[in-house]
Amino acid sequence: DGGITQSPKYLFRKEGQNVTLSCEQNLNHDAMYWYRQDPGQGLRLIYYSQIVNDFQKGDIAEGYSVSREKKESFPLTVTSAQKNPTAFYLCASTKASRGGADGNGYTFGSGTRLTVV
Amino acid sequence: AQKVTQAQTEISVVEKEDVTLDCVYETRDTTYYLFWYKQPPSGELVFLIRRNSFDEQNEISGRYSWNFQKSTSSFNFTITASQVVDSAVYFCALSSVAGGFKTIFGAGTRLFVKA
Repeated sequence: DGGITQSPKYLFRKEGQNVTLSCEQNLNHDAMYWYRQDPGQGLRLIYYSQIVNDFQKGDIAEGYSVSREKKESFPLTVTSAQKNPTAFYLCASTKASRGGADGNGYTFGSGTRLTVV
Repeated sequence: AQKVTQAQTEISVVEKEDVTLDCVYETRDTTYYLFWYKQPPSGELVFLIRRNSFDEQNEISGRYSWNFQKSTSSFNFTITASQVVDSAVYFCALSSVAGGFKTIFGAGTRLFVKA
């Protein structure tokens, strides 16, 4: 079955350490997204990518980096510059639609819970 | 500017009660899409419905129904005869032409359904 796989499910980061969250999809979707969710808050967009080898900053990109070398993969690196990285991270994908409006619903992964220790 | 407001932070009901989750949106675009997602305790958001701005027809799917009113910029979600399995966080979201590929999510409403 097609879907999005995020790994690991739980991740612990030490101060000053970079960590990478994996996101893989086999839905043949063009667009992929990373969101951050904090307790009691909605989803905030970190980065998104519409096509391979291209990505755009979202609303809270500082302290994060991404790459899109393959259509199926969109890993997120949480760098040491991100001062408050403890959160739940969700990856999503969708078929890109014409006209710029994303009229298709997103498919989400099951998330990675990152904790700073 | 685009914005989605879910004023209800938490709602608690007893099983079999009907419950409505409110969603108010702001956008200057004439072409836009509205969504509802469910986030159960497992964490993965599940897509429930999409409506486009040109179709104000209400929709019913089993115990779920959605009321889209452009005049009040609202897209409310009603669960009829709620069940314990409906307990989750529900997110309303907005996507528009001007917003490109970015979807804006509301803060979510946590629904508790007690047996």
